[in-house]
Amino acid sequence: KNQVEQSPQSLIILEGKNCTLQCNYTVSPFSNLRWYKQDTGRGPVSLTIMTFSENTKSNGRYTATLDADTKQSSLHITASQLSDSASYICVVSFRGGSQGNLIFGKGTKLSVKP
Amino acid sequence: GAVVSQHPSRVICKSGTSVKIECRSLDFQATTMFWYRQFPKQSLMLMATSNEGSKATYEQGVEKDKFLINHASLTLSTLTVTSAHPEDSSFYICSARPPSRQNTEAFFGQGTRLTVV
Repeated sequence: KNQVEQSPQSLIILEGKNCTLQCNYTVSPFSNLRWYKQDTGRGPVSLTIMTFSENTKSNGRYTATLDADTKQSSLHITASQLSDSASYICVVSFRGGSQGNLIFGKGTKLSVKP
Repeated sequence: GAVVSQHPSRVICKSGTSVKIECRSLDFQATTMFWYRQFPKQSLMLMATSNEGSKATYEQGVEKDKFLINHASLTLSTLTVTSAHPEDSSFYICSARPPSRQNTEAFFGQGTRLTVV
């Protein structure tokens, strides 16, 4: 069964600290893995997209890694800011599939405290 | 970047009435748009795929007569929740992809919070 599991479910950190969110997936055939940021009551906004051959990709203070062998990905947030408080969703897509073949994780809810 | 606009952002309606939600691709044409539903603390669940000029494709368990989808133009898809009930209260999100970014980038609307009272 195609699944995307994220951990932790929720996380509280102090402003300025770093954190790492995890994503494990069992999706086949794999096409790409995406990380989205979703603010409360808003639609998801793309942070990174990685294909099979990419191991790491950065977007400002966000750095995503992908290990296609172990089917794991992480999202590292550096020097967190209050505005980073949101849910972070890991999404994996089927190879060659339409967007209808996206598998969403439940997300990690990050709270950054002053 | 590509923008997908959704309207309204919030709506409260009485049980038994119908509600229409619009999804527009503002700077690209989208032959396909997607409608998702998200319950609290849950992941996005695909409801249906909206195809311009043809019938929508619904996911298993989604009632096509209850969730009417119209994709009349290349930039607009609408989702109408008919005879709404309190259990239809949820966060509805649409998405679309620019033709040049098939199988990669996906852009989501802002979402619509539907509350049925």
